[in-house]
Amino acid sequence: DQQVKQNSPSLSVQEGRISILNCDYTNSMFDYFLWYKKYPAEGPTFLISISSIKDKNEDGRFTVFLNKSAKHLSLHIVPSQPGDSAVYFCAASHQGAQKLVFGQGTRLTINP
Amino acid sequence: ETGVTQSPTHLIKTRGQQVTLRCSSQSGHNTVSWYQQALGQGPQFIFQYYREEENGRGNFPPRFSGLQFPNYSSELNVNALELDDSALYLCASRPSADARAKLFFGSGTQLSVL
Repeated sequence: DQQVKQNSPSLSVQEGRISILNCDYTNSMFDYFLWYKKYPAEGPTFLISISSIKDKNEDGRFTVFLNKSAKHLSLHIVPSQPGDSAVYFCAASHQGAQKLVFGQGTRLTINP
Repeated sequence: ETGVTQSPTHLIKTRGQQVTLRCSSQSGHNTVSWYQQALGQGPQFIFQYYREEENGRGNFPPRFSGLQFPNYSSELNVNALELDDSALYLCASRPSADARAKLFFGSGTQLSVL
């Protein structure tokens, strides 16, 4: 049962444009959401998070939007830079849980 | 401040063998989690240790076991290896058992089972 889904395995965006990565979840108990970024041969690194009491969180070029009624979150990167090329994972958790539940990942490629 | 380190980086085993993977948590972190990442998939939670006790487990069989030591380093042991155990094994540490505390991942151990 895939509780967190990233339906786009890959995304290609031109440098300077906006990258939008999407994630859907099914478990209504999830109340905390995160995005991680992974380069080859490295572990995932934390990018940005959002609690279910908010619908938007910004950190520099990165903004995460949460639509609780649709059980959908998205990560916006603007402007996109070549160094943003990586695999992006969304993850979810809920109060009292020890684990993060990850999506399958989206490979983002920024073209010069 | 050193980050999360894992050893070895790569490992090849044959079906039926046993393997031990090691992880040193980031300085000041008392909680360690292990995740399995199969090819093309996201990481899947195996278990978590907090102050040397397992305090959370995912949907993995008992042949996956672990330890956490007084210095908060950790081991993942897998017995009776199967071909499907081939994956990247990620260790992550956090400064507390709070699920909201940020996870810091190591670079992983790539295990191949032949």
